[in-house]
Amino acid sequence: EADIYQTPRYLVIGTGKKITLECSQTMGHDKMYWYQQDPGMELHLIHYSYGVNSTEKGDLSSESTVSRIRTEHFPLTLESARPSHTSQYLCASSELTSDTQYFGPGTRLTVL
Amino acid sequence: AQKVTQAQTEISVVEKEDVTLDCVYETRDTTYYLFWYKQPPSGELVFLIRRNSFDEQNEISGRYSWNFQKSTSSFNFTITASQVVDSAVYFCALSEDRYAGGYNKLIFGAGTRLAVHP
Repeated sequence: EADIYQTPRYLVIGTGKKITLECSQTMGHDKMYWYQQDPGMELHLIHYSYGVNSTEKGDLSSESTVSRIRTEHFPLTLESARPSHTSQYLCASSELTSDTQYFGPGTRLTVL
Repeated sequence: AQKVTQAQTEISVVEKEDVTLDCVYETRDTTYYLFWYKQPPSGELVFLIRRNSFDEQNEISGRYSWNFQKSTSSFNFTITASQVVDSAVYFCALSEDRYAGGYNKLIFGAGTRLAVHP
């Protein structure tokens, strides 16, 4: 059973605001990921991390940034939100030697 | 190049019908892993199964079964006696084997939306 948490679950904000989406996991997984997904559509990898102080950009270009200061925590930040950022953001984690990714419940972001 | 194709965009069935979700993949690697995930309306992705390329045995878990055929590069998923709670988007995914600690990218298909009606 995966223990990965995301907050907030839903967020509606105005254009230009700075936001941080939180993701935490209690499984001690070294690898963590952020995906962007329009509801029920394809998943697009936007960031990943091998471990503390490691972050890499994914396949889909994103204006967001991430940090990995602690193993269990992988927050995603948008400095200035725009309507084009409206989407669902899914966080996932996996063991260092495994491909199996476990997903959090997601954050549905709406930028007005 | 790696690719996962789920040709069925949407499937609609009546409760208790059996339904098969198709997944076809492309890869040049001899060692790889295949996955199925379920995404219910609540939004989270739920891991269902992982299968490595050397294990072609079919797997059954309750009403779920998976048919892996390397000859046709397919990893199909069958739900027997479908229920309304099975309504979700189902994603097939592929990962190539890499060295431990490296980045093993999951390639997702576009998903199949399954609607089970009472």
